[in-house]
Parts: sequence; structure tokens; C-alpha cells
Amino acid sequence: AQSVTQPDIHITVSEGASLELRCNYSYGATPYLFWYVQSPGQGLQLLLKYFSGDTLVQGIKGFEAEFKRSQSSFNLRKPSVHWSDAAEYFCAVGDPGTYKYIFGTGTRLKVLA
Amino acid sequence: GAVVSQHPSRVICKSGTSVKIECRSLDFQATTMFWYRQFPKKSLMLMATSNEGSKATYEQGVEKDKFLINHASLTLSTLTVTSAHPEDSSFYICSARGLQETQYFGPGTRLLVL
Repeated sequence: AQSVTQPDIHITVSEGASLELRCNYSYGATPYLFWYVQSPGQGLQLLLKYFSGDTLVQGIKGFEAEFKRSQSSFNLRKPSVHWSDAAEYFCAVGDPGTYKYIFGTGTRLKVLA
Repeated sequence: GAVVSQHPSRVICKSGTSVKIECRSLDFQATTMFWYRQFPKKSLMLMATSNEGSKATYEQGVEKDKFLINHASLTLSTLTVTSAHPEDSSFYICSARGLQETQYFGPGTRLLVL
């Protein structure tokens, strides 16, 4: 069955520290992969996406993600976290046929000043 | 670009009444829109896929008669929660499919049924 796993429910980092949020997926073929960020009480904002090609993808707000087919992973990274990055982060797999997404359970990021 | 709006942002209603939530793609046309429900501190649960000019496709376990979806134009989809009950209280989020199979999300509607 198709699924998306975000192993870390909560992550706390200090401002200025590096960040890596993990995402693993189970899918029959290479899916479309997305990272979204959600601030409290808000909708989701697209950070970056991967369809094909270069496996290192650059996104907005200084985020990047790397697709590793052998590990079925699409981890999100940022070299230096800012206090405004505190939010909920969702990884999603998109089905090219139905356009539907399967979301991970999310990782809540807390940033210490 | 790729802005999606939702209205209202918050709504409180009495049990038994119906509530309509609008989802609009402001700067692009969306033949496909999606409706999600999000419980507190939980992920998004897909409720239905809305295709312009045709009937919505509901996910398993979602009552189509309770959650009426209409997608009458390329920029507007509506979700009507009929005969709302307290258990329908939730955060409802829509998205619109834009270019490159990417979904763009609205800001969400918080529904509270008393």
C-alpha cells in the first residue's frame, strides 16, 4: 500500500542550527514528492517539489530536499534555521494518475532562541 | 501566482443547520480541486476530489450526502456541510490543482458546530 512516513513527530532545534526532517515513502513507482509547511491555523504552503531529474531540489525560504531512490526517502534540509521556521511540516506523495496526495503525519518544528 | 482563497475563514453554526464553504483559485483555472479535513494536531485527510462540470469523487468513509461538493466553474468549488453536528467541527482545507500536478492550498476554514 502507498504510504508516507515522517518518523519524527516533534523536532526542536536552536536558531542558527541545521535542520533535517525525514520523509520515507512506499510507492509502486517514482512518485511526485512534495514538502509543505503549515503555520498554526493556516493552510499549506509549498516549499519544494520533485518530479524527475536532479535529485537535489531547491525550494523557498532556503530549504532543499534530496530524493534518494534506493532509500525511498525525500528528506528536507536547511543549513541555518530561523525562528520564523517554527511550524508543521508535511511531506506528500502525489499520484501522477489521479493527482491525489498522500500526506505524512507531519513534523512539528520548534525553534529555540 | 497560484493563490487559493477560502471563505469563510471561521464559522460557528447551530447543530442541524447547513454551512457552505467556498474555495476559489484566484489567478489560475483549476479543473480539479480537493477537499481535506484536518483534526487537531493531525495530518490532512482527503475527503473528495472535485472536477469541474462533473460529480465529485468521495473517499471511502466520507458521506456524500452530508458533504455536498459542487464545482460549477474553473475557479470555484463549494463544500456544503448539511445538517451539521458537533462531530463535524473541524478544519476544512481545499486545494486546487495547478501546473505540474501541484496542489495549491487555501488558508482553511474552521467550523464549529454547537
